[in-house]
This record gives sequence, C-alpha cells and structure tokens, in this order.
Amino acid sequence: NAGVMQNPRHLVRRRGQEARLRCSPMKGHSHVYWYRQLPEEGLKFMVYLQKENIIDESGMPKERFSAEFPKEGPSILRIQQVVRGDSAAYFCASSPLGPQRSYNEQFFGPGTRLTVL
Amino acid sequence: QQQVKQSPQSLIVQKGGISIINCAYENTAFDYFPWYQQFPGKGPALLIAIRPDVSEKKEGRFTISFNKSAKQFSLHIMDSQPGDSATYFCAGDSGGGADGLTFGKGTHLIIQP
Repeated sequence: NAGVMQNPRHLVRRRGQEARLRCSPMKGHSHVYWYRQLPEEGLKFMVYLQKENIIDESGMPKERFSAEFPKEGPSILRIQQVVRGDSAAYFCASSPLGPQRSYNEQFFGPGTRLTVL
Repeated sequence: QQQVKQSPQSLIVQKGGISIINCAYENTAFDYFPWYQQFPGKGPALLIAIRPDVSEKKEGRFTISFNKSAKQFSLHIMDSQPGDSATYFCAGDSGGGADGLTFGKGTHLIIQP
C-alpha cells in the first residue's frame, strides 16, 4: 500500500513564475491537507480538501495561492507569481476519514521543497 | 489557530538515556494529540498519539503522558538510540478537525553514542 506521494520533490522557480505542487493521497483516503514548513519552524496548516470541495482554507494566503482536489487525479496546490518568501517545504497529508470521526489521523507525504530565486 | 508550545528546542541525550519532550496547549477543544518524527529531507511520520480520556499511552519505547488539567503532554523515549535522532513535533486537533493539526515548533533530538 503506497504512502502519500508528492511531486516534484524539489522545485526551483524564479520570482513571478507559477509553482504547481501535486499530492496523491494514500489509497482509500479522500481527505487531503496541505501544510507549509519554514526552516526551523513547525508545520502550518494551509487548506483542507475533500474530493471536489474545499472544506477549510483559513490558513492559506488570500492572494496567489489556490488548491484543488478534483474527482480524478491528484490534489494540486498552485502558487502564482511566486516571491522569495514562498520558499519553503510544502507537505500534504491524507486522512482515511474526515473530521467526522473522533480523531484525525493524518499521514504525510515526503514534501516538495520550493526554492524561489 | 491557538498555539501549541513545545520545549526544549533542542535536546542532547546519551545513548540508553531517557529523552523527554514537553508540550502545552491552549485550545481546550483539542481532543487528539499526536507526535510526529521527522528526519532531514523527509516528511513527518506519525509516531504515537493520545486522546485526553487517558493519562498515559505506551508503545514500545515511546510513552505519552497527558495532564488534562494542566493542558500539558509529554513524550518520553526510553533507552534512547542514535537512530532516534530526529526532529519531533507535537500537535493538537479538535474533533472538528477542519483547520488541520496545530503543531509545536519542534525539538531537535540528538542521541550521542
């Protein structure tokens, strides 16, 4: 049973370009979370998605950032017009059941390290 | 998101010793407290988790102690080994879970041979 998959593992973009990060959840998981990790910091929640729905995007910047989880295919985190401050590791996690269960066990992917030049 | 405060920031323990990492939370709605282990260049891996209806949970060499009244919980690693050297994160989650896990800032643990 493959774990959470993310690609690319490393991404280099110049300021102003777009970054597109992909996440395939574990088999049987239909809930995806995206987190951002800055150096020497913990992970910060960005957005929670179910298939074809954004459930909570309270942690995501209002501008330039968007996320989707289509009916078919991976979840995508898109950052438009990247700036140097977007350089970070971006992790997605998947959960077998949504918050309706009594606890929210999340399994993380290996992350995408974004570097903005 | 309300904070989860984690200490110490870094910790050095001799092989065979006990490593102790502490966390304190503010959000009384939290009802699930996982610990994650992260190696350099890797994603966090779920290590052990506890619900607030128990005061202690043990899995192998790893034990979580939970004090609901003090809103504190800690991870104990018994017989620490060099392979345990990693960054450890505590987290909290409310039953709704819609805003994701709230993480502490992490503890860099080094186990000296």
